[in-house]
Amino acid sequence: EDKVVQSPLSLVVHEGDTVTLNCSYEVTNFRSLLWYKQEKKAPTFLFMLTSSGIEKKSGRLSSILDKKELFSILNITATQTGDSAIYLCAVATTSGTYKYIFGTGTRLKVLA
Amino acid sequence: GAVVSQHPSWVICKSGTSVKIECRSLDFQATTMFWYRQFPKQSLMLMATSNEGSKATYEQGVEKDKFLINHASLTLSTLTVTSAHPEDSSFYICSARDLTSGSTDTQYFGPGTRLTVL
Repeated sequence: EDKVVQSPLSLVVHEGDTVTLNCSYEVTNFRSLLWYKQEKKAPTFLFMLTSSGIEKKSGRLSSILDKKELFSILNITATQTGDSAIYLCAVATTSGTYKYIFGTGTRLKVLA
Repeated sequence: GAVVSQHPSWVICKSGTSVKIECRSLDFQATTMFWYRQFPKQSLMLMATSNEGSKATYEQGVEKDKFLINHASLTLSTLTVTSAHPEDSSFYICSARDLTSGSTDTQYFGPGTRLTVL
């Protein structure tokens, strides 16, 4: 059975800290791995990763994929209170039909 | 990026009534849309894949007669929760793929609909 697991489930840090969020997966017909940030409503897109070892970077956020070990990490440096959100990892797969399999999510809270 | 809207944003209804939720892609055509359900403090659970002009594909454990999906045009999919009961109360989110973009694996999410059944 396809599955995506995120860790930790929840994290509380102080502003300025660096955090690393983990996503491991076991899926057949892997296409890509995506990271989303969800605050109050719709998840917003952060990164899409398809190749191993190539870091994607956007400001203080960065992410990398390891297709051999089947995991990805999302790093946030110099965290701010506005980074508080649920971070969702999804794997796009064509097992059967095209779809996303979402991980459990990591709830991040950044304290001032 | 592409924009997806949902209507209504929230709805409160009595047990036994049916509720329709609309999902629209505003600036692109979406042959495929997805419907998710999210419980408090949990992740998104895929309910079904909505295909324009054909029947939806439901995930295991999702009752197709309970959650009716219609994808009548390239920009609109609807989810109808029939004979809603309190256990159907949840946050429902739709998404769509823009197959004309350079990144067809990116799904664009609507703002969600919070359904409360009394």
